[in-house]
Order: sequence, then structure tokens, then C-alpha cells
Amino acid sequence: GDSVTQMEGPVTLSEEAFLTINCTYTATGYPSLFWYVQYPGEGLQLLLKATKADDKGSNKGFEATYRKETTSFHLEKGSVQVSDSAVYFCALSDPLMDSSYKLIFGSGTRLLVRP
Amino acid sequence: DSGVTQTPKHLITATGQRVTLRCSPRSGDLSVYWYQQSLDQGLQFLIQYYNGEERAKGNILERFSAQQFPDLHSELNLSSLELGDSALYFCASSVGSGREETQYFGPGTRLLVL
Repeated sequence: GDSVTQMEGPVTLSEEAFLTINCTYTATGYPSLFWYVQYPGEGLQLLLKATKADDKGSNKGFEATYRKETTSFHLEKGSVQVSDSAVYFCALSDPLMDSSYKLIFGSGTRLLVRP
Repeated sequence: DSGVTQTPKHLITATGQRVTLRCSPRSGDLSVYWYQQSLDQGLQFLIQYYNGEERAKGNILERFSAQQFPDLHSELNLSSLELGDSALYFCASSVGSGREETQYFGPGTRLLVL
């Protein structure tokens, strides 16, 4: 079945460092891809999305490009801030098998940014 | 604030009991999804309703059931609770069910089974 694999955390960075969180996927159909962020004690918020190959999603300085050839959707940010400390989830939706746009999530990557 | 509300925020109960979690979607959203977040299983899809009808089922136990009412709010019923059911339960809503759509998540209900 469909699945998402993302890098293990925690990732610890100093403020203003470059961030990459790797995400690869396996899908039967042609999925849409998402990054969600979960701040401590809160629900999930959509960070960015891409619905077709070579699309780049971007928001708040974060970017990710839908790479169909490598089945990847890596999250990047050029300069992280302490306020970016959170858990980041890569996810896909692939309605091919059951016509549902349910989300399939990776295991999450905790990011800790130190001042 | 996503516009999705969930009640209660916290729930503590005993094994064998039954609880009901409630979700109110954003105004105008027809789809409601339920997810479970636990330490060992991560974030898993449970079930989806669209405009009152069940649309898809994931890894939802037979002890769990859900429904969506005419006013589009949804309830997730968990019965014969076990220790392993302790988790954070999220609902999410979207306008319909399409490739471009975004699911908006509620703040979750934290369930602790003792």
C-alpha cells in the first residue's frame, strides 16, 4: 500500500542554519503531497502542498518540490528560527484505490532550533 | 484557529468504558476525517464521512464507530476501551473531497484510558 518515509529526528540546528527534512513516498496512483506542522500542544497545520510533478509548494520561507522521478518531497528552509521548533509531518493523499483523499502520514520529524 | 472544533479537549476514563468524541467542521465543509495519533502507531486515518455518508475506512477497530449528522458535525464512538486506545484523536474537515483541497485539523481530543 501507499506509504511515506521521512528522516528520523530529532533534528537540532542553530538559529539561521539551513534545514532539510527528507521525505520519500510510495504510491499506487498519482498522489498529492503535503507538509504539516505540529507545534507543542496543538493540532496539525498545513505548511505547504503540491499536487503535480515539479510543483513547488512554499510558505513562511519553507519550500518543497514534488519530484516524481525520485518519489520525493523534501522540506527546506534557508534560515530557521527558534519559532520553527515543532514536529513536521510529510503526507500524501492518493484516491486511486478507494476514492478517498485521506492523508497517509510519515512518522514525523522533530525539529529543535537553538538560539 | 482552523475553524474546526473538537470536544472535549481531554478525557480520562477507565478500561471497558465507552466515550464519544465530537467534531464540528468548518462552516461549509462537507467532509470530515478522523485520525488517531499514538506514540507507537503514529498518525493513522480512521474513517471519513462526506455529507452524511461513510466514504472510506482505514484502520478503525470494530469497537469504534462514527457518524456524521445532518448538520455535518461528526461523532466518534469508542467502546470497550483498552489501555492501548489512549491517544490523541483529531478530526479534520475539507470542503469536498478533491485533489486540490486542504484538510483543516481541529486541536484534538486527548484520551487517557486507565
